[in-house]
Amino acid sequence: DAGITQSPRHKVTETGTPVTLRCHQTENHRYMYWYRQDPGHGLRLIHYSYGVKDTDKGEVSDGYSVSRSKTEDFLLTLESATSSQTSVYFCAIRIAGTGELFFGEGSRLTVL
Amino acid sequence: DAKTTQPPSMDCAEGRAANLPCNHSTISGNEYVYWYRQIHSQGPQYIIHGLKNNETNEMASLIITEDRKSSTLILPHATLRDTAVYYCIVRAFSGNTPLVFGKGTRLSVIA
Repeated sequence: DAGITQSPRHKVTETGTPVTLRCHQTENHRYMYWYRQDPGHGLRLIHYSYGVKDTDKGEVSDGYSVSRSKTEDFLLTLESATSSQTSVYFCAIRIAGTGELFFGEGSRLTVL
Repeated sequence: DAKTTQPPSMDCAEGRAANLPCNHSTISGNEYVYWYRQIHSQGPQYIIHGLKNNETNEMASLIITEDRKSSTLILPHATLRDTAVYYCIVRAFSGNTPLVFGKGTRLSVIA
């Protein structure tokens, strides 16, 4: 267990509202990632971080922003949620030494 | 885009070996082959990775061809719990390049 937790696990919100998903880790891993998963699309990378205040965009970053002000937390923000952002969001950390990713349990977001 | 090609689906009889192929003909010299699987709605789970030598762990074996353009993940005795989507990914071991997932192979283990 790489000590990674996501919150909230489930959220229902309305179009146009801001939403923040939190990924928290307890083992000081440098790299953290946010993916979304939708039927027919598999896992797609939204943003990732390679250190405090160091982030970069993934393949589907439009409409999302991230922040990493401390090692243990990587926040994903939807400034104004849209129905197309209804998805399951997975956070992951990279294990130093092996390069493997360890994933959280996912956050299911529904935008009405 | 993902740099790997996998069959969309495969079936395997319970207790038999499941052999999942992956083509990565454009792999670079510093890129490793990683395998993950995702059971139902859970987060993906790491299985194994390798560079050029065959690898084995408690979950699976990874066979990489000598030219490194393809590989096979072997589950030696598949069980119903191995039913999942299996992803083959290539990336450099270190650096900032993240894992990019393709659509994977949906393996169905049949009793």
